[in-house]
This record gives sequence, structure tokens and C-alpha cells, in this order.
Amino acid sequence: GQNIDQPTEMTATEGAIVQINCTYQTSGFNGLFWYQQHAGEAPTFLSYNVLDGLEEKGRFSSFLSRSKGYSYLLLKELQMKDSASYLCAVIDSNYQLIWGAGTKLIIKP
Amino acid sequence: GAGVSQSPRYKVTKRGQDVALRCDPISGHVSLYWYRQALGQGPEFLTYFNYEAQQDKSGLPNDRFSAERPEGSISTLTIQRTEQRDSAMYRCASSLAGEGYNEQFFGPGTRLTVL
Repeated sequence: GQNIDQPTEMTATEGAIVQINCTYQTSGFNGLFWYQQHAGEAPTFLSYNVLDGLEEKGRFSSFLSRSKGYSYLLLKELQMKDSASYLCAVIDSNYQLIWGAGTKLIIKP
Repeated sequence: GAGVSQSPRYKVTKRGQDVALRCDPISGHVSLYWYRQALGQGPEFLTYFNYEAQQDKSGLPNDRFSAERPEGSISTLTIQRTEQRDSAMYRCASSLAGEGYNEQFFGPGTRLTVL
């Protein structure tokens, strides 16, 4: 079967750094997405990785290791508005997007 | 329009009634996806279209669920003889193309409540 694993919930402090991990087992791999979803709102795109390595975009960075079936999202200089769920999703060999359950990130002052 | 729109935003219906949920994708987007999302969970794939062709409907829970996109733009998800377990947030997303790098843009969702 296909599986995406992420921690259910994480807590971090405003101004700090947090790393949200995602491991996947899918039938094929054609890329990995990270989406942000605030409570009651639609998911919004954060990043896309298809090659190994780190992609940096402002305060957010995403890393991929295809050989390990592993990715992480790194959030720096945390702000209260970063409190949200972060969803990892993998494109499989059929170009279907397989979604994780999401990691709820709680930011404390 | 500027983004994906869905209507109605909220729908309350009685068990046994049929409902039709509408999705209007971003203009020019080839692919359209339907998801169901439970609270605290990621989106659950239902079905998707490239243009007017339904490419995959493996995620539809049973034959009470159907979807169409007759002109390759607006799509309708229909649930017949609704049951209480159908209560959920139904989300639509669209993307430029269905293969490769295909960032999906999500609509605001339709919250369906079956009494």
C-alpha cells in the first residue's frame, strides 16, 4: 500500500526554528509537495521537490532524499501566523497525489 | 475568476436526498480534482478530470457518488441518496496539467451535513 507518515502535532516557540518530517512509501515517485492549511481554510502551496537536496524560499525550506523516502519542511523565525497544519503529499507513478494526514503546528509566544 | 470557486459553501440536507456540489476551476486549468477532507486529516482523493475526461474515479466511495465535467470547465459532484456518513468537507482543486509538476489550487470547499 501507499503511505505517508508525518507527526500528528508539534509545538514550537515564536522566533525559533522547527523541522517537520515526512516519510513516504509509494508506488513510484514524481515529486513531493508541502502545503499549508490554516484551520477552516483551503490548503495552499508551499514547495515542490523532485530532486534530492534543499530548496529554500524565504523563511521556509524543504529537503528531499529520494533514496530514503524522506522529506522535511524547515520553518525559521517562527511567527504566530505560522500556526497551521502542514501537509506532505507525494506524486506517485500514476501521477496521483497521495496526501499525508498533516502535522498541526502550534506556535507559543 | 481569480481562484477556484465552489458552491454552495454550506449544504444541509436530509438523509436520502440527492445533492449536487459545484466547482468552477481557474480559467485555463486542464485538470480538476475532487477531494473529501475530514477534520484533522489530509485530503482524501475522490476523482479527477483532464479536460472533460474522467481519468480516475477509484476514490469514489460507492456508486452513489458520481462526477462530471461535460465541457471541460465546471464540474459537478453528485451524491445520491445521501447518508449521514457522507457528512464532510468536499474540496475541489485545479491545476494547469495533470502530469509532472502540478501544483493544485484549492477552492474554499463545500461543508455537507446530512441529518
